[in-house]
Amino acid sequence: EAQVTQNPRYLITVTGKKLTVTCSQNMNHEYMSWYRQDPGLGLRQIYYSMNVEVTDKGDVPEGYKVSRKEKRNFPLILESPSPNQTSLYFCATGLAGTGEQYFGPGTRLTVT
Amino acid sequence: ILNVEQSPQSLHVQEGDSTNFTCSFPSSNFYALHWYRWETAKSPEALFVMTLNGDEKKKGRISATLNTKEGYSYLYIKGSQPEDSATYLCAPDNYGQNFVFGPGTRLSVLP
Repeated sequence: EAQVTQNPRYLITVTGKKLTVTCSQNMNHEYMSWYRQDPGLGLRQIYYSMNVEVTDKGDVPEGYKVSRKEKRNFPLILESPSPNQTSLYFCATGLAGTGEQYFGPGTRLTVT
Repeated sequence: ILNVEQSPQSLHVQEGDSTNFTCSFPSSNFYALHWYRWETAKSPEALFVMTLNGDEKKKGRISATLNTKEGYSYLYIKGSQPEDSATYLCAPDNYGQNFVFGPGTRLSVLP
């Protein structure tokens, strides 16, 4: 079954404690991306990757890091989380150039 | 950052009504326009990708049109059903790389 998985699905953490949200896909897609969704602001792109070892900033990259060492995985790293990073995070994947994206189930992060 | 607008922000219709909403985006450097459907407590799902001026796409009772010269797209739902209740998002893209989603139109279809 084609799928995009995110872990964890829910996380409550404290300010400054490094965390990683994993994203994995089994569709052999070149393109992967991270978004955050906040009330009144819609989906905003954090980082995206066109292929292995190729990553680029989206519209709201501050406070986040990503890596793309393998085609199937695209982890989102928060080195020092802050309360303003409390949000719902989505990973998405797609075939390069088509623009159609498949979204993961989301990770709800709360930073206290 | 692209300025993408959607209107209305929300609307309520009765079951069986037809409805439409708008996505506005900068017409310069246009590559493609995407529509997504996002049900509460689920993840966004792709509806249409549109690239050519005058494009029309249809999926069941939902259809969309595209005007790249003036920078807008319409989404139509014919004979709305309660299961159509969702937020509809549009997103122009920069050659399949950087996506900017609009704020969405939240549709509620009342039985």
